[in-house]
Amino acid sequence: DAKTTQPPSMDCAEGRAANLPCNHSTISGNEYVYWYRQIHSQGPQYIIHGLKNNETNEMASLIITEDRKSSTLILPHATLRDTAVYYCIVRVFNTGGFKTIFGAGTRLFVKA
Amino acid sequence: ETGVTQTPRHLVMGMTNKKSLKCEQHLGHNAMYWYKQSAKKPLELMFVYSLEERVENNSVPSRFSPECPNSSHLFLHLHTLQPEDSALYLCASSQVAGGNTEAFFGQGTRLTVV
Repeated sequence: DAKTTQPPSMDCAEGRAANLPCNHSTISGNEYVYWYRQIHSQGPQYIIHGLKNNETNEMASLIITEDRKSSTLILPHATLRDTAVYYCIVRVFNTGGFKTIFGAGTRLFVKA
Repeated sequence: ETGVTQTPRHLVMGMTNKKSLKCEQHLGHNAMYWYKQSAKKPLELMFVYSLEERVENNSVPSRFSPECPNSSHLFLHLHTLQPEDSALYLCASSQVAGGNTEAFFGQGTRLTVV
């Protein structure tokens, strides 16, 4: 079972920041938060990940609360090409190593 | 280009056919995965291979048979499938150990069972 909850959909105006929230209240101390996105009918694409510190790369920023029970993915200047399903994932450790378990994700619509 | 290549990209097969999906990764990873994505559903983890050994089988019907001959290749053999098995099948790879590593996905095989 997925360990995260996300809103099913969000809208964002082109050029504005898109802030996508995620709750992961049962996260364990050794579990990382990952974000992926999936454009229609393509494979998921890695965006960013973090453990407890905020992270930034060329695609996005990740803000993790101090208690690690929630996080926010920020796309600073959304474009039409950012329209996709965004998955917040806690990478779960089980027999054989870590696995990436997906939830339903948030469908982000970027509008002109 | 993620370094994970899946073939074919599209496949149409009858319910009595036998076909195989292929996945190849050039990333030096030791874990490989098969996921199924049906219409309007989240990705479902099907199989996990770690160092060429199957470490997880998530209650997948026996008409799906995975094979991992080496750490770079993963197959999914299909036989006597049902129309409800039509979906996007995704392969991924990652390092075996450690939570601090992302999974890289292929572009998927769009399977249609007729």
